[in-house]
Amino acid sequence: EIVLTQSPATLSLSPGERATLSCRASQSISTYLAWYQQKPGQAPRLLIYDASNRATGIPDRFRGSGSGTDFTLTISSLEPEDFAIYYCQQRSTWPKLPFGGGTKVEIK
Amino acid sequence: EVQLVESGGGLAQPGGSLRLSCAASGFTFSSYSMHWVRQAPGKGPEWVSYISTSGTTIYYADSVRGRFTISRDNAKNTLYLQMNSLRAEDTGVYYCTRVDWDVDHWGQGALVTVSS
Repeated sequence: EIVLTQSPATLSLSPGERATLSCRASQSISTYLAWYQQKPGQAPRLLIYDASNRATGIPDRFRGSGSGTDFTLTISSLEPEDFAIYYCQQRSTWPKLPFGGGTKVEIK
Repeated sequence: EVQLVESGGGLAQPGGSLRLSCAASGFTFSSYSMHWVRQAPGKGPEWVSYISTSGTTIYYADSVRGRFTISRDNAKNTLYLQMNSLRAEDTGVYYCTRVDWDVDHWGQGALVTVSS
């Protein structure tokens, strides 16, 4: 079983700052990684697939990178609507789609 | 517009059963595989189950295998999740989702509470 570990658990930042979120897989998953954003009371929303491809309609301030076991989601300049919880999801075991534990990006 | 609408959630006793339904519209339901994903209160999403377009290929998370059954009725454009032997840890919001790799669609979720 491949385990995804996200860090940090919480990131306290101010609007306009850069956010860097990490997701580490317990074994190589190539680039079979997706990132999701979730706001309270809403379903998760796909941001990034294949580690670095933005989903339709996702602003270019969201950037995904990495391969193998180490992945990063970078938000270049936080907008007020970006404060949310972010989850990574590994897709190397498609159609089984486990998620990581999440990183909460909160307003400092 | 793709729409997924879950129903059938509610309160169940431990050991009890519930059946969730997901009504799909805005796309050719029979052409897409589907998933159920759940989320316990204050926790991250957990993938639960997958069903192929025809229903012949099915997968379950270890946590629900043997207790939950996924199925679909392509004539009715509806996805189902039969949940038996419910436990307190099955409490959460259950989403039906269509995951197309580069785009996905989620329902609004159905709340399931397992408590005596």
